Amino acid sequence: NAGVMQNPRHLVRRRGQEARLRCSPMKGHSHVYWYRQLPEEGLKFMVYLQKENIIDESGMPKERFSAEFPKEGPSILRIQQVVRGDSAAYFCASSPGTVETQYFGPGTRLLVL
Amino acid sequence: SQQGEEDPQALSIQEGENATMNCSYKTSINNLQWYRQNSGRGLVHLILIRSNEREKHSGRLRVTLDTSKKSSSLLITASRAADTASYFCATPASGGSYIPTFGRGTSLIVHP
Repeated sequence: NAGVMQNPRHLVRRRGQEARLRCSPMKGHSHVYWYRQLPEEGLKFMVYLQKENIIDESGMPKERFSAEFPKEGPSILRIQQVVRGDSAAYFCASSPGTVETQYFGPGTRLLVL
Repeated sequence: SQQGEEDPQALSIQEGENATMNCSYKTSINNLQWYRQNSGRGLVHLILIRSNEREKHSGRLRVTLDTSKKSSSLLITASRAADTASYFCATPASGGSYIPTFGRGTSLIVHP
């Protein structure tokens, strides 16, 4: 049973470009969470999704950021017109339902030049 | 704002010694979790303790929870070099939420 998969593992973008980060949850998990981690900091919650629904996006910046979890395929975190401050590690986690324990992917490290 | 804060920020010990990390939080919780993060990796869930529990064990890990002091501790006994990692406590964001919020973590280095 494969764990949570994220790709790409590393992504380099120039300012103004778009970044697309993908997350495939563990088999049987229908709940996906996205977090951002800056160097030497803890994880900051961004958004919580279930299939085809955004449940909680209270941690998501109002502009340039969007997330989806379609009926088929991975969850996507999209950052438009990236700026240097978007450079961070982005982690995805999944759970089988509304349970406390989450299973994390290896993260995508985004570097904006 | 962060719910839980770990202390110390960094801890350096020799292999075989015990390592103790603490977590303080602000509001009432129904559970608290500890996670480990190896450098460059995602978080791995270690243990969950509920508000009606005072102590929980898992292998070389011992977690305590004191709800009156709003604090928890993680003890790693007989540490190994492989325990070198950052350790985070996570508490529910706010009343009824089950989405964990994380502190800044304790960076543990175990010297062989």
